[in-house]
Amino acid sequence: DVVMTQSPLSLPVTLGQPASISCRSSQSLAHSDGNTYLNWFQQRPGQSPRRLIYKVSTRDSGVPDRFSGSGSGTDFTLKISRVEAEDVGVYYCMQGTHWPYTFGQGTNLEIK
Amino acid sequence: QLQLQESGPGLVKPSETLSLACTVSGGSISSSDYYWGWIRQPPGKGLEWIATMYYGGSTDYNPSLKSRVTVSVDTSKSQVSLKLSSVTAADTAMYYCVRDGGYWGQGTLVTVSS
Repeated sequence: DVVMTQSPLSLPVTLGQPASISCRSSQSLAHSDGNTYLNWFQQRPGQSPRRLIYKVSTRDSGVPDRFSGSGSGTDFTLKISRVEAEDVGVYYCMQGTHWPYTFGQGTNLEIK
Repeated sequence: QLQLQESGPGLVKPSETLSLACTVSGGSISSSDYYWGWIRQPPGKGLEWIATMYYGGSTDYNPSLKSRVTVSVDTSKSQVSLKLSSVTAADTAMYYCVRDGGYWGQGTLVTVSS
């Protein structure tokens, strides 16, 4: 299985400040069809996960533009330009290139 | 607006079969544009992708569960179903139905206990 490794696992951030989460995969996530299936999910306390970003950098509908994704190959990043209170939760990266699809361990974002 | 709703017993005995249904509303369950999946999350832990069902009925099962998992679709009921046999306490988790990863149900908590 492809191992997804996130860092940091805990991320205390001051309101209005930027935040960044790294996700590294044990194999390249470049698919033979030309796409890279790397997704980012947000799970707020007590809620189902919500996809924020798919194919590395495409934001889902309704996702604020303060969220951005980047990367290629095995190295990916989720950035929040200015953290707001509603961003508290656990963030997961997930690869959809190799079966079985796998998730990172999660990064717990909290307000400092 | 597409909605997914999981349903099934909240308590299953060890060695029995866990059976869940995901009812889809607000969209078609039969489209080649999408796939359906089941994901689980043990209490306080991370996410595990269990199975995927594609248009036409083909399936992929996580090798860690493959011998115990079956996913099927009933288009007349707009339902995707999950069966997991020979359950143990390790199968206690919130079970989510998803479409592509972009749409999630609210999840249903299944506890395995005698």
